[in-house]
Amino acid sequence: AQSVTQLDSQVPVFEEAPVELRCNYSSSVSVYLFWYVQYPNQGLQLLLKYLSGSTLVKGINGFEAEFNKSQTSFHLRKPSVHISDTAEYFCAVSDSGGNQFYFGTGTSLTVIP
Amino acid sequence: ETGVTQSPTHLIKTRGQQVTLRCSSQSGHNTVSWYQQALGQGPQFIFQYYREEENGRGNFPPRFSGLQFPNYSSELNVNALELDDSALYLCASSLVGVGNSPLHFGNGTRLTVT
Repeated sequence: AQSVTQLDSQVPVFEEAPVELRCNYSSSVSVYLFWYVQYPNQGLQLLLKYLSGSTLVKGINGFEAEFNKSQTSFHLRKPSVHISDTAEYFCAVSDSGGNQFYFGTGTSLTVIP
Repeated sequence: ETGVTQSPTHLIKTRGQQVTLRCSSQSGHNTVSWYQQALGQGPQFIFQYYREEENGRGNFPPRFSGLQFPNYSSELNVNALELDDSALYLCASSLVGVGNSPLHFGNGTRLTVT
């Protein structure tokens, strides 16, 4: 089975500063990796995904993530955050069967004006 | 394109009661998954339905059951509710067989068990 660890439960950052949200996964098979964002009282919205190919993937709202197989990581980055980026961010992993996604416990990003 | 819709948005039940939550899939998607998200936690997989059959199940007891209908809509039923069942229940649709199709989530049903 797979598992996901999001090391930072809360990340405060000033507006227009860069941010990195960390995600590490554990799996014995090839995986697919995802980042989702959840705004208050809403469901999860897909930010970006890594299925294969280039290890640097770009998503919506200026976010990007880099897949590092040797370090089993998939960290999310944004060069300059906005107030509207304040939300909960979840990293998720699935395998080739695709039946089940495993989510981390989430990182709460707070952008400070 | 019509997104995933869930009903109701909020629900309050008493311990021991039964509840049914409903979900309409995104148009073109043939697979529905249900997740439970407890407060401050990530979503946990309950089960998935494909072609009206259960196609994978997480670590949830049999009192959690589901249905998928020919139009790909779905229901989640929970019997003998317990206080720990209080959570946000998320429905997600996807397209099995097209790469590893990302999950598309609805806004969830907030269930409170008292």
